[in-house]
Amino acid sequence: DQQVKQNSPSLSVQEGRISILNCDYTNSMFDYFLWYKKYPAEGPTFLISISSIKDKNEDGRFTVFLNKSAKHLSLHIVPSQPGDSAVYFCAAKEMDSSYKLIFGSGTRLLVRP
Amino acid sequence: ETGVTQSPTHLIKTRGQQVTLRCSSQSGHNTVSWYQQALGQGPQFIFQYYREEENGRGNFPPRFSGLQFPNYSSELNVNALELDDSALYLCASSNPGQGPIGGYTFGSGTRLTVV
Repeated sequence: DQQVKQNSPSLSVQEGRISILNCDYTNSMFDYFLWYKKYPAEGPTFLISISSIKDKNEDGRFTVFLNKSAKHLSLHIVPSQPGDSAVYFCAAKEMDSSYKLIFGSGTRLLVRP
Repeated sequence: ETGVTQSPTHLIKTRGQQVTLRCSSQSGHNTVSWYQQALGQGPQFIFQYYREEENGRGNFPPRFSGLQFPNYSSELNVNALELDDSALYLCASSNPGQGPIGGYTFGSGTRLTVV
């Protein structure tokens, strides 16, 4: 039973344009959501997070939107750069579960020069 | 500030054997978690150690076990290896006192292949 789903395995975007990565979840007990970026041969790197009490969090070129009623979150990257090409994982944390994270299966983003 | 270091980077084992993977946590981090990432999937939580005790476990059988040492480094042991254990094993360290999220640092992982 996948509690966190990333339905798009890959996404290709032109440099300078917006990249939108989507994530759906089923567990209403999640209180924190995170995005991680992973390059080949490296571990996942934390990118941005959002608490369930917010609907938007922004950090430079990265913005995460949370729609609790739809159980959906998205990561917007504007403008996209070739160095953003990586696999992006959406992850969620349950209330009172310490640091256990539940990850989606990832979306491979390719930013074309 | 050193990051999370995992060893070895690659490993090939035979079905039925046992394996030990190692992790040195980031300086200042007292909690270590282990994740298994199968090909084409996201990381799956195995367990977490805090103050040398397991304080959270995912849906993995008892043949997956671990240790945390006084210096907060950690080991993941897998007994009776199965072909499906082939995966990237990720270690992540954190310090809950530094806030809920963002202070979760992953190592580069150990790629285990079971033949």
